[in-house]
Amino acid sequence: QQQVKQSPQSLIVQKGGISIINCAYENTAFDYFPWYQQFPGKGPALLIAIRPDVSEKKEGRFTISFNKSAKQFSLHIMDSQPGDSATYFCAASRGRGSTLGRLYFGRGTQLTVWP
Amino acid sequence: DGGITQSPKYLFRKEGQNVTLSCEQNLNHDAMYWYRQDPGQGLRLIYYSQIVNDFQKGDIAEGYSVSREKKESFPLTVTSAQKNPTAFYLCASSKPGAPGYGYTFGSGTRLTVV
Repeated sequence: QQQVKQSPQSLIVQKGGISIINCAYENTAFDYFPWYQQFPGKGPALLIAIRPDVSEKKEGRFTISFNKSAKQFSLHIMDSQPGDSATYFCAASRGRGSTLGRLYFGRGTQLTVWP
Repeated sequence: DGGITQSPKYLFRKEGQNVTLSCEQNLNHDAMYWYRQDPGQGLRLIYYSQIVNDFQKGDIAEGYSVSREKKESFPLTVTSAQKNPTAFYLCASSKPGAPGYGYTFGSGTRLTVV
């Protein structure tokens, strides 16, 4: 059973446009929601993360929007650039219990930004 | 600089052979993880370890084995029982007591069955 559902699977955006990737979860025990960015042949790297006590977090051109009641969160990339072309993974984890720290990942979104 | 080192970067295995993928970290992280990545499947957890000499099965542990004899090392063996081992394997580590924080990945090993 997929703990975190991510869409779309692939996304093509023109340079300067806004890229939006959505994720949804069911487990209300999740209390940490990171996004990872992965370039081909490399491991994922933490991009930005949010906790459920805030509805939005912004770091440069990257913004996470979080809707606790809908159990959804999304990544917005403003002014998308060709260098943003990568695979993006959303994830969730919970802070208690025997699986402390384990991240549950979405299936990823392959973003292509055309120049 | 601290980080996770995976080796080799590319590995070729003949059918019926066992192969071992190396993962070493110098971040002083207690928890370590092995993920398998296939196109369109995301990251699937194979095994994880929260402390030395202890590890748990993840979602797709069949055909794999691990050991955790040292805090810094968490090798993964892909056995001949793994029916479809061709994939990109990622090792990660995390900081204890900090859910999700400090989740650092290595650069991966691409395993191909020939």
